[in-house]
Amino acid sequence: DAGVIQSPRHEVTEMGQEVTLRCKPISGHNSLFWYRQTMMRGLELLIYFNNNVPIDDSGMPEDRFSAKMPNASFSTLKIQPSEPRDSAVYFCASSFGDFSYEQYFGPGTRLTVT
Amino acid sequence: SQQGEEDPQALSIQEGENATMNCSYKTSINNLQWYRQNSGRGLVHLILIRSNEREKHSGRLRVTLDTSKKSSSLLITASRAADTASYFCATDASRDTGRRALTFGSGTRLQVQP
Repeated sequence: DAGVIQSPRHEVTEMGQEVTLRCKPISGHNSLFWYRQTMMRGLELLIYFNNNVPIDDSGMPEDRFSAKMPNASFSTLKIQPSEPRDSAVYFCASSFGDFSYEQYFGPGTRLTVT
Repeated sequence: SQQGEEDPQALSIQEGENATMNCSYKTSINNLQWYRQNSGRGLVHLILIRSNEREKHSGRLRVTLDTSKKSSSLLITASRAADTASYFCATDASRDTGRRALTFGSGTRLQVQP
């Protein structure tokens, strides 16, 4: 199994630009999670999908962030417009079951907004 | 303070020694999980312990859970240089908080000197 796949691995963009992060979960997993990790705030859950439906998006910082899961094998996290404070590592994770099951993390996307 | 706080924040030991990390939390939990994160990588699930379990083993890992003290410990025996990583606990507190999400602590950075 290839594991959770994320792209791009690194993204450098200028403030105000749109950023799209992509994730392919492990085949057969029915839950998908987007996390953000920073030194200051640690690992924060942004949004949780179960069977392609958003279940908990209370961690999405503001309207500039949006996430979609059009099918069981693909999800995107979009930031528009991006700001320097969005600089972080964004992880996608998936699990076979709901949020309480063990989660499998992707390698992350390191986002730098200048 | 946040749900799921690890201590110590950093730990440096010699190869062959045992490493013990602790996690404290505030609410009732359904389960508690431990994850490892190598530098620049995604988190890797190590072990899950349910609220009705007191101890669990997996290879050189031993996890204990004391729900009366709201604490857990992760013991790595006979440590190796390859165990150098950050270790996080994550709690499912949905029964108390209603939030269907794992909450991750800030982590313990373990350095194993060869």
